[in-house]
Amino acid sequence: DTGVSQDPRHKITKRGQNVTFRCDPISEHNRLYWYRQTLGQGPEFLTYFQNEAQLEKSRLLSDRFSAERPKGSFSTLEIQRTEQGDSAMYLCASSTQGPGNTIYFGEGSWLTVV
Amino acid sequence: QKEVEQNSGPLSVPEGAIASLNCTYSDRGSQSFFWYRQYSGKSPELIMFIYSNGDKEDGRFTAQLNKASQYVSLLIRDSQPSDSATYLCAVRDPYGQNFVFGPGTRLSVLP
Repeated sequence: DTGVSQDPRHKITKRGQNVTFRCDPISEHNRLYWYRQTLGQGPEFLTYFQNEAQLEKSRLLSDRFSAERPKGSFSTLEIQRTEQGDSAMYLCASSTQGPGNTIYFGEGSWLTVV
Repeated sequence: QKEVEQNSGPLSVPEGAIASLNCTYSDRGSQSFFWYRQYSGKSPELIMFIYSNGDKEDGRFTAQLNKASQYVSLLIRDSQPSDSATYLCAVRDPYGQNFVFGPGTRLSVLP
């Protein structure tokens, strides 16, 4: 059973460029989450999907951020016109549905905006 | 706004001692609570979860929940240097499905 997979693991980009991260969840998990984490802070919720439907999106998420999960399997997180403040680790997690579900994280994608 | 609070530490304990990590949460309706361990530069990994008041034990780890006080704790017995990490408390939003994380407590186990 493979875990949550994220790609790329590291990305360095210039300010103003667009970046896209991909997440492949655990195969039987229908829920997928995106979080952002900066140094010394806990993961901050960005958005989550149940199958292909985006059910919740953080109010902190600016309109430069967009996430998709078109076929209910893998997901992409795109950041347009990156800013230095976007530098962080972007974490994907997945879970099953139900009251006892727990989330399992991928290894994260590190973004550095220079 | 739903909040999860933890003492950021660092908490230093000698090898073999009991480490006690604490967490409080703001939403009284919360039902599900989780502890994750995160090594430097790595992603969080689940240690254990607890849903009912009282204690839940898993090996050297014990989670304690007191819903009346809105308090969750994690005890690590016989602490080892390999336990040195940041411990994240998470609470599942009872009205949605996202998980709200605290800032984490950094634990250092001294040999």
